[in-house]
Amino acid sequence: GAGVSQSPRYKVAKRGQDVALRCDPISGHVSLFWYQQALGQGPEFLTYFQNEAQLDKSGLPSDRFFAERPEGSVSTLKIQRTQQEDSAVYLCASSNRANTGELFFGEGSRLTVL
Amino acid sequence: AQSVTQLDSQVPVFEEAPVELRCNYSSSVSVYLFWYVQYPNQGLQLLLKYLSGSTLVKGINGFEAEFNKSQTSFHLRKPSVHISDTAEYFCAVSSKAAGNKLTFGGGTRVLVKP
Repeated sequence: GAGVSQSPRYKVAKRGQDVALRCDPISGHVSLFWYQQALGQGPEFLTYFQNEAQLDKSGLPSDRFFAERPEGSVSTLKIQRTQQEDSAVYLCASSNRANTGELFFGEGSRLTVL
Repeated sequence: AQSVTQLDSQVPVFEEAPVELRCNYSSSVSVYLFWYVQYPNQGLQLLLKYLSGSTLVKGINGFEAEFNKSQTSFHLRKPSVHISDTAEYFCAVSSKAAGNKLTFGGGTRVLVKP
C-alpha cells in the first residue's frame, strides 16, 4: 500500500480484556517496529522484526505483551489482560533502511483501558 | 545507552517569526539523528535526518537542523513559521550499537499564533 496501515484506529477495552492491534507495513519493507506512546510523551520502543524474525523484544513491558509477524508482512501486537497503564497510542513503523533508523510510521492505534 | 533531551516542552511563536527547537543527545558512539513531526491524530512524519557528511541538513517544509558533535546537539530551526507548522516535534537518535533502534525525546509542542 501507499503507507503503513494500522487497525483499529481506536479501541476501548475493559480492564482484563485481551486486545489485538494490527499493522500492515509498506509493501517490500522487511523491517517492522512497534512503539508505545503515552499521552504527552515521546514514543518508546517495544519490539522489532526483520521479516518474520523477532530480533529484539527488549521493550515489551511485561509478558502480557506479545507480537508476531508470521509471514514477514502483517504484524499483530497482542495485549493480554489489559491494565489501565496500557492506555496509550501504539505506533507501527516499517523500513527498508532500518540500519540507519529511518522509519515510516502508521497513524497509530489508540487504546483506552477502562 | 542512548538518550535524547528536548529542553522545551512547549514553544509558542507568532506566525512568520523564526523558531528554534533544542535537542541534545547522549551516546558514546557514532549516531544518526532525526527530527519527526506529528500533526494531531496522525503518525510521525520524517522532517529531516543526519546520517553523515554535512552537519547542516535541510528537510521538508523549510526546516533545517545542524549537527554539533562537540555540544552533542541537533537543534531544529525554521526562519519563518506558518500556522500549519503547529504540531509536536520529536528529536530521535539511533546507532548501530543500539541495534538501530530509534530513541525519542519527549517532544516539543509548537503553537503558532496569528
